[in-house]
Amino acid sequence: TAGITQAPTSQILAAGRSMTLRCTQDMRHNAMYWYRQDLGLGLRLIHYSNTAGTTGKGEVPDGYSVSRANTDDFPLTLASAVPSQTSVYFCASTPGTTVGEQFFGPGTRLTVL
Amino acid sequence: GENVEQHPSTLSVQEGDSAVIKCTYSDSASNYFPWYKQELGKGPQLIIDIRSNVGEKKDQRIAVTLNKTAKHFSLHITETQPEDSAVYFCAARANYGGATNKLIFGTGTLLAVQP
Repeated sequence: TAGITQAPTSQILAAGRSMTLRCTQDMRHNAMYWYRQDLGLGLRLIHYSNTAGTTGKGEVPDGYSVSRANTDDFPLTLASAVPSQTSVYFCASTPGTTVGEQFFGPGTRLTVL
Repeated sequence: GENVEQHPSTLSVQEGDSAVIKCTYSDSASNYFPWYKQELGKGPQLIIDIRSNVGEKKDQRIAVTLNKTAKHFSLHITETQPEDSAVYFCAARANYGGATNKLIFGTGTLLAVQP
């Protein structure tokens, strides 16, 4: 069992370009989350999905979009990247929407120049 | 909305000593408080959690205490070892309404255990 995989591991992107960060889980978890991690700010929720076909906004959703076409995949898209989106992005999942452990992927380091 | 503050931002201890990290939260309706450990280059991993109906929980060398009245909770690591060196995050379940499992994280504590 791989758990959660994220791709790419790292990426350098020119400002104004679009990019999709991929997240796949093989645990059949219903809920998935995208966080960004910035020094001194901890982890902040960007978007979430309680189940396939539904998504919702977190604390910092502006400039990002997500989709949840199936249970396993939860891609995060930056339509037109800006330098302030330079960060480490983590995908996470939970079996359901009740409280419990969130399982995190290894992260994607994104630099927007 | 929920706000979580975490202190200290860095903590250096000698191997074998204890380490304490403290967090406060703002939303009295929060009912779930996990602690995550993040090693360099990896994603965070849950190490212990506590629910609002419990005042203390212990798992070997780590323990968490919760004071609902004061709205603060703490992580205690005893007999620290070099492998405890990592960044630790506290979190509180946010009250967004509905059955969602969204967490608000603290800003993290870099723990360094000196051999």
